[in-house]
Amino acid sequence: NAGVTQTPKFQVLKTGQSMTLQCAQDMNHNSMYWYRQDPGMGLRLIYYSASEGTTDKGEVPNGYNVSRLNKREFSLRLESAAPSQTSVYFCASSEWSSSYNEQFFGPGTRLTVL
Amino acid sequence: AQSVTQLDSHVSVSEGTPVLLRCNYSSSYSPSLFWYVQHPNKGLQLLLKYTSAATLVKGINGFEAEFKKSETSFHLTKPSAHMSDAAEYFCVVAGRRALTFGSGTRLQVQP
Repeated sequence: NAGVTQTPKFQVLKTGQSMTLQCAQDMNHNSMYWYRQDPGMGLRLIYYSASEGTTDKGEVPNGYNVSRLNKREFSLRLESAAPSQTSVYFCASSEWSSSYNEQFFGPGTRLTVL
Repeated sequence: AQSVTQLDSHVSVSEGTPVLLRCNYSSSYSPSLFWYVQHPNKGLQLLLKYTSAATLVKGINGFEAEFKKSETSFHLTKPSAHMSDAAEYFCVVAGRRALTFGSGTRLQVQP
């Protein structure tokens, strides 16, 4: 099992460009999440999908959109990238979105917006 | 609503000495608490979790944490640090739908 995979690993964008970060999990989990990690701030939740067909905003959703393509895949889209979106992005999944469930994390995507 | 405060942004210990990483939490209900570790340029790995069973929780790699409701604390300890423990550690409290992360403690282990 690969667990949670993310593509790409690194990306450099110019201000105003768009891109989609891809995430897939092979653990048959129902819930998936997108976080961003900035220095000194831990991880902050951008969007999550409690189950296939549903998505909800997290703490910092502005400037992002998500798509739960199927049970395995959850993508994050930046329509018009801004320098403030320079960050490391982590995708995670869990069996359910219950507070008892451990979340499993992907290796991250390091995004730089110039 | 829930929140978590990691009291030290950086901790430095010598190899073979004890490790203590401090965490205080706030939650309006009985919380689930986790410690995750992140090695440089890697994803996050679960060290241990508390979900209202035993208050002393044992995790991987010799780490353990004690849930103290009266002090709203969930400190992470290890009796003897190893060089491979050098990493960033996150204390996490679980809400009904998602996790709230502390700002992290960077552990440095000196030879």
